[in-house]
Amino acid sequence: IAGITQAPTSQILAAGRRMTLRCTQDMRHNAMYWYRQDLGLGLRLIHYSNTAGTTGKGEVPDGYSVSRANTDDFPLTLASAVPSQTSVYFCASSYTSDTEAFFGQGTRLTVV
Amino acid sequence: RKEVEQDPGPFNVPEGATVAFNCTYSNSASQSFFWYRQDCRKEPKLLMSVYSSGNEDGRFTAQLNRASQYISLLIRDSKLSDSATYLCVVLGGRRALTFGSGTRLQVQP
Repeated sequence: IAGITQAPTSQILAAGRRMTLRCTQDMRHNAMYWYRQDLGLGLRLIHYSNTAGTTGKGEVPDGYSVSRANTDDFPLTLASAVPSQTSVYFCASSYTSDTEAFFGQGTRLTVV
Repeated sequence: RKEVEQDPGPFNVPEGATVAFNCTYSNSASQSFFWYRQDCRKEPKLLMSVYSSGNEDGRFTAQLNRASQYISLLIRDSKLSDSATYLCVVLGGRRALTFGSGTRLQVQP
């Protein structure tokens, strides 16, 4: 079934550890995004990529990095996790940067 | 000022009621607008795009007012299954979708 897949679905991580959240889509979408969702704050854009080989910073990029080596994959890395990065992380993709986006099922990350 | 603002609710309505949500956006150059629905602890899912002339999909009607920079969603004949959080989404300044914080709807029997 075509779609967008995130891994892991949940994770408990010790502060200071490095973690990569994986995101893969098979819809050949050009644009991909990472959002975090916190209670009362809604979805906030962390990083985005409008096409393979390019990335850009969103609203809350500090402490996160991304890469877009190919069309399908858009991993999000926390170099040294902190408790304030406890959140639900959603990856999304869209055919172009101005069309509707489709979301993965989310990764629930707890940093302790 | 937030790029996209919504009343968080909750809106508590009886089954069969008509309910409307508004959303305002700050970037006058925005070109794409959407309503998403999010159920508790699940990913957001596209409900409908919003077109300049307004559009309807069954019981749902979306409208755009560019002059006042707001979009609306009208739900007629509310069902219990409509209970969810409705997210207003605008293509923002970074050429990525910017989400409002959402409006929670609870339809009661």
